Amino acid sequence: EIVLTQSPGTLSLSPGERATLSCRASQSVSSSYLAWYQQKPGQAPRLLIYGASSRATGIPDRFSGSGSGTDFTLTISRLEPEDFAVYYCQQYGSSPFTFGGGTKVEIK
Amino acid sequence: EVQLVESGGGLVKPGGSLRLSCAASGFTFSSYSMNWVRQAPGKGLEWVSSISSSSSYIYYADSVKGRFTISRDNAKNSLYLQMNSLRAEDTAVYYCARERITMTRYAFDIWGQGTMVTVSS
Repeated sequence: EIVLTQSPGTLSLSPGERATLSCRASQSVSSSYLAWYQQKPGQAPRLLIYGASSRATGIPDRFSGSGSGTDFTLTISRLEPEDFAVYYCQQYGSSPFTFGGGTKVEIK
Repeated sequence: EVQLVESGGGLVKPGGSLRLSCAASGFTFSSYSMNWVRQAPGKGLEWVSSISSSSSYIYYADSVKGRFTISRDNAKNSLYLQMNSLRAEDTAVYYCARERITMTRYAFDIWGQGTMVTVSS
């Protein structure tokens, strides 16, 4: 099983600032099948990034993903008020399709 | 509109059973792999099970293997999760989610709103 470790657990930032979220895998993620999701309270997760770096339909270009192998990053270039939420990474290349523990991006 | 709607959640005693359903609309259901993901109260996301478009490939998390059964009916555009021998630790919101798989994989791009399962005496 591939274990995904996300850091930091909480990120306290102000609107307009840059957010950098990390996801580290215990072994290489096949074919860069690494996704990022955003979840707000009381809502279902929303796909942001798939294939490590491809934006999902309708996702603003301030969200970008990078990385390969075991190290992946989600960057939000300039935080908007609606971006404060919890972010999860997931590897979907090999079963079990594990999620990371999440990073909460909160308003400073 | 592309939509997934879960149903069937509720309160059940430990050791009991429950069957969740997920109704799909607005897309060609038979072309997508489908998944169940759960989230315990205040916790993170946990993948539960996946089924390929033609039901040829089925996968389970170790935590539910032997107790849960995933299935689908492409004629009814529906996904199911039969949950037996339920435990308190199965208490969670259960989401269904689709994934398009062609020559590559596109992750879980559409999610339902979730259905709550509570296992308690």
